[in-house]
Amino acid sequence: DQQVKQNSPSLSVQEGRISILNCDYTNSMFDYFLWYKKYPAEGPTFLISISSIKDKNEDGRFTVFLNKSAKHLSLHIVPSQPGDSAVYFCAASPDSNYQLIWGAGTKLIIKP
Amino acid sequence: GAGVSQSPRYKVAKRGQDVALRCDPISGHVSLFWYQQALGQGPEFLTYFQNEAQLDKSGLPSDRFFAERPEGSVSTLKIQRTQQEDSAVYLCASSLFGNSNQPQHFGDGTRLSIL
Repeated sequence: DQQVKQNSPSLSVQEGRISILNCDYTNSMFDYFLWYKKYPAEGPTFLISISSIKDKNEDGRFTVFLNKSAKHLSLHIVPSQPGDSAVYFCAASPDSNYQLIWGAGTKLIIKP
Repeated sequence: GAGVSQSPRYKVAKRGQDVALRCDPISGHVSLFWYQQALGQGPEFLTYFQNEAQLDKSGLPSDRFFAERPEGSVSTLKIQRTQQEDSAVYLCASSLFGNSNQPQHFGDGTRLSIL
């Protein structure tokens, strides 16, 4: 069973608009969440993270929101730029230890 | 370079052959991770090292998979008697320490194809 789910395999957004990527999880023991970005033929690159004691974390154009009661997090990118086109992975960690449980990824396409 | 380096980038082997995949982590990083990523999926944890100690190998799919990091730096993932289901991208990551709020830095992976 998938403990971390990204239900949208792909998302297409106009350049300059907001991109919203969603992630759901089932394990209430998860207390740390991360977003990674991946270009083709490259490894994932860390983007932003959030601890379960917060409900929002912002870094430049990237904001992650956490709704613990709904076991849902989202990544907002605004404004979206062509270089944001990539696959975005949501990952979660139980008890702040080293193990990361990953979603299947969402491919974001930014249209000019 | 300053990042995680993996070699080879691509490896093709016949079923039954042994393969060895290498990972050079970022200098000074204590923790090293191996992941397996199937097409269209997220990475799946294989094993974790803290320095030279393999603290967790719970994700290794079978006893054909073996990983080592003898001097606490370079690591090798070995797969014996390869099977077609071993075809995947193998990712290595390192972090300064092992807790999750230290982001893991990934190499570009080794794409393994078993014929």
